[in-house]
Amino acid sequence: NAGVMQNPRHLVRRRGQEARLRCSPMKGHSHVYWYRQLPEEGLKFMVYLQKENIIDESGMPKERFSAEFPKEGPSILRIQQVVRGDSAAYFCASSPPTRINEQYFGPGTRLTVT
Amino acid sequence: GIQVEQSPPDLILQEGANSTLRCNFSDSVNNLQWFHQNPWGQLINLFYIPSGTKQNGRLSATTVATERYSLLYISSSQTTDSGVYFCAVTGSSNTGKLIFGQGTTLQVKP
Repeated sequence: NAGVMQNPRHLVRRRGQEARLRCSPMKGHSHVYWYRQLPEEGLKFMVYLQKENIIDESGMPKERFSAEFPKEGPSILRIQQVVRGDSAAYFCASSPPTRINEQYFGPGTRLTVT
Repeated sequence: GIQVEQSPPDLILQEGANSTLRCNFSDSVNNLQWFHQNPWGQLINLFYIPSGTKQNGRLSATTVATERYSLLYISSSQTTDSGVYFCAVTGSSNTGKLIFGQGTTLQVKP
């Protein structure tokens, strides 16, 4: 059973460009979460999604950030017009529908904004 | 919101030594997980332990939910145990959102 998949693993963007981060949950998992780890900081919750629904986006910055989890395909975290402060590791986690509190993390995408 | 505090912030051990990491939380929780972030940045699930005691090889964890703390025990430490250990909880509102502590950075010396 493959784990949570994230791609790309490393992403370099210039200021002002768009970043798209992808997450495929574990097989059978229908809940997806995104977290951000800024340099020298702990992990902070961003958003919680189920298929075609955003359940909790209380941790998402108000501007430039959006997330989706379509009926088919991976979950996408999109950052528009990136700035240097967006440089961080972005982790995706998934959980099965019967145990939504038990989250399994992907390897992360390390975004560098130059 | 729930506050999660981990101690100690940093720990240096000689290979073979034992250690105990602590996680205190400020309110009742539905979930508590321990993770190891290795030097390559990957987050590894160690335990899902909202209450009780679990063991996995040299690692074990105990959560006393009524007293709002959890302990992670590492016995006979190895250099591969180095990294950052995070405790994370989900509050009783059950939104699924994990709240992480600041972590304990462990360095095991050969």
